[in-house]
Amino acid sequence: QLQLQESGSGLVKPSQTLSLNCAVSGGSISSGGYSWSWIRQPPGKGLEWIGCIYHSGSTSYNPSLKSRVTISVDRPKNLFSLKLNSVSAADTAVYYCARSGEIKYDLFFDMWGQGTMVTVSS
Amino acid sequence: QSVLAQPPSASGTPGQRVTISCSGSSSNIGSNYVYWYQQLPGTAPKLLIYRNNQRPSGVPDRFSGSKSGTSASLAINWLRSEDEADYYCAAWDDGLSGRVLFGGGTKLTVL
Repeated sequence: QLQLQESGSGLVKPSQTLSLNCAVSGGSISSGGYSWSWIRQPPGKGLEWIGCIYHSGSTSYNPSLKSRVTISVDRPKNLFSLKLNSVSAADTAVYYCARSGEIKYDLFFDMWGQGTMVTVSS
Repeated sequence: QSVLAQPPSASGTPGQRVTISCSGSSSNIGSNYVYWYQQLPGTAPKLLIYRNNQRPSGVPDRFSGSKSGTSASLAINWLRSEDEADYYCAAWDDGLSGRVLFGGGTKLTVL
């Protein structure tokens, strides 16, 4: 059974960089047919897609975050990562990693991590 | 304000049928698949419906999805207390550089 687990800093200072990893177990991140996404949810609010990395290694990002986001993959470690720079209080949220569809027009999220809370505060 | 519009709340009694709507535009629902997610309190979302009306294995057939033009709906038949959750629709949007859009979410209360 595939499992995803987020890890990283739970408290980030304003203007610094948020860094999270998503470890994939029970399957290989390099197997075809899927991409790997990050999604966030501010406290008490709805979901926001951050972006994804496809099997090819190419990426798609939410235009509203594109200038600050980098998603990368570490195949030997079977994990993918999120970096969000120049953070502010508006970036405080639960961050989820998820397995997603193979192509952008069919980007379903069928497996999710449990989520990790990241607070931006000095 | 979300580009995909959902009613903020819905309610029903056990055994009833409830529908949740999701309204978009030609650049998202009108030209791409719609997905539905269920988020139980304190947990990660779960894929409920994909490609407009397909159910992943393990999702009861009480849940069904439909799409017409630039709108979509999620129907829940034979409502149960454990269906009390937040429900989100989602679709790819072709505008700008493209992105996944989520609806604002509908909180379903089972009375």
